Amino acid sequence: DIVMTQTPLSSPVALGQPASISCKSSQSLVHRDGNTYLSWLQQRPGQPPRLLIYKIFNRFSGVPDRFSGSGAGTDFTLKISRVEAEDVGVYYCMQGTQFPPWTFGQGTKVEIK
Amino acid sequence: EVQLVESGGGLVQPGGSLRLSCAASGFTFSNYAMTWVRQAPGKGLEWVSSINSGGSNTYYEASVKGRFTISRDNSNTLYLQMNSLRAEDTAIYYCARDAYGVADYWGQGTLVTVSS
Repeated sequence: DIVMTQTPLSSPVALGQPASISCKSSQSLVHRDGNTYLSWLQQRPGQPPRLLIYKIFNRFSGVPDRFSGSGAGTDFTLKISRVEAEDVGVYYCMQGTQFPPWTFGQGTKVEIK
Repeated sequence: EVQLVESGGGLVQPGGSLRLSCAASGFTFSNYAMTWVRQAPGKGLEWVSSINSGGSNTYYEASVKGRFTISRDNSNTLYLQMNSLRAEDTAIYYCARDAYGVADYWGQGTLVTVSS
């Protein structure tokens, strides 16, 4: 199984400041169809996960443009350009390239400093 | 609007059984693979099981294989039959739509507690 490793595991950020989360996979996430099935999910406190970014950099419907994804191969990054109070929660990277199984990073907790 | 609504969770003794359901609406259910993901209390996300769009192919995480059975029917419902439950199966169980390697919609989840 592909192992997904996120850093940091906790990220205290002041309101209006940027945040960045790294995700590294143990193998390349490039699928034989040429796509890279790396997603980012947000889980607010007490809520289910919600898709933010799919296939590295595509924002899902309704996701604010302060969220952006980048990377390639085995190294990926989620950036929040200016953190707002509603961004507090845990962020997970997830790979869907090598299935089964889907695998997730450990999660990164974003909190307001 | 895509909606996924889970039900069927509850408190069960070790060795017992539960059947989870996930009612889907707002999309053509038969066009999508579906997946169950769980989250133990205070922990991260763990893939549990998936089924392809036609229901002919199923996949299981190693620790649940032989105990859990995923299925779907024409009433736009996804199921997870869970037998021989263990304490370590305690978690919130989410159903998610599989849009070709992307978990694009998630339900609210249903809590399963295995305890004597």
